[in-house]
Amino acid sequence: DQQVKQNSPSLSVQEGRISILNCDYTNSMFDYFLWYKKYPAEGPTFLISISSIKDKNEDGRFTVFLNKSAKHLSLHIVPSQPGDSAVYFCAASPPGNTGKLIFGQGTTLQVKP
Amino acid sequence: GAGVSQSPSNKVTEKGKDVELRCDPISGHTALYWYRQSLGQGLEFLIYFQGNSAPDKSGLPSDRFSAERTGGSVSTLTIQRTQQEDSAVYLCASSSRGSRYGYTFGSGTRLTVV
Repeated sequence: DQQVKQNSPSLSVQEGRISILNCDYTNSMFDYFLWYKKYPAEGPTFLISISSIKDKNEDGRFTVFLNKSAKHLSLHIVPSQPGDSAVYFCAASPPGNTGKLIFGQGTTLQVKP
Repeated sequence: GAGVSQSPSNKVTEKGKDVELRCDPISGHTALYWYRQSLGQGLEFLIYFQGNSAPDKSGLPSDRFSAERTGGSVSTLTIQRTQQEDSAVYLCASSSRGSRYGYTFGSGTRLTVV
């Protein structure tokens, strides 16, 4: 039972344009959502998070949008840069800050120069 | 150390053998997590240590898997009688503020069972 889903395995975008990465979840009790970026042969690095009581969080070129009614979140990268090429994972935190995160399968983003 | 350190970075083992994977968390981080990523899959939670509390072992896939954390620092993940389906990248992470603020992951151990 996949509670967090990233339905697009890959995305290709031109440098300077917007990248939109999507994530769907099934458990309405998740209270925090996070995005991680992973380069080959490295561990994932934390990018940005959003509380379930908010619908938008912005950090520089990265903005995360949360639509609770649709159980959907998205990560926008504007403008996209070749160095953004990586695998992006969304993750959800179950209520109670148990420590564990539920991760999606990841989306590979390629930003072409 | 400056980051989370995992060793070995790569491990090839024969089916049926036992393996030990090591994780050195960031100094002072009270929480330590183990995840694994199988080919084409997301990160799968295995186990979570928080301070002196009993670990959350709810993600361990079978009783062949165990982990310990000595002195609140270094952790070892042990897989007994390895199977081919255990092949994956095993990732360790640590944090000081809880999962909502993001973990710091190590680079992982790529385990291949042949």
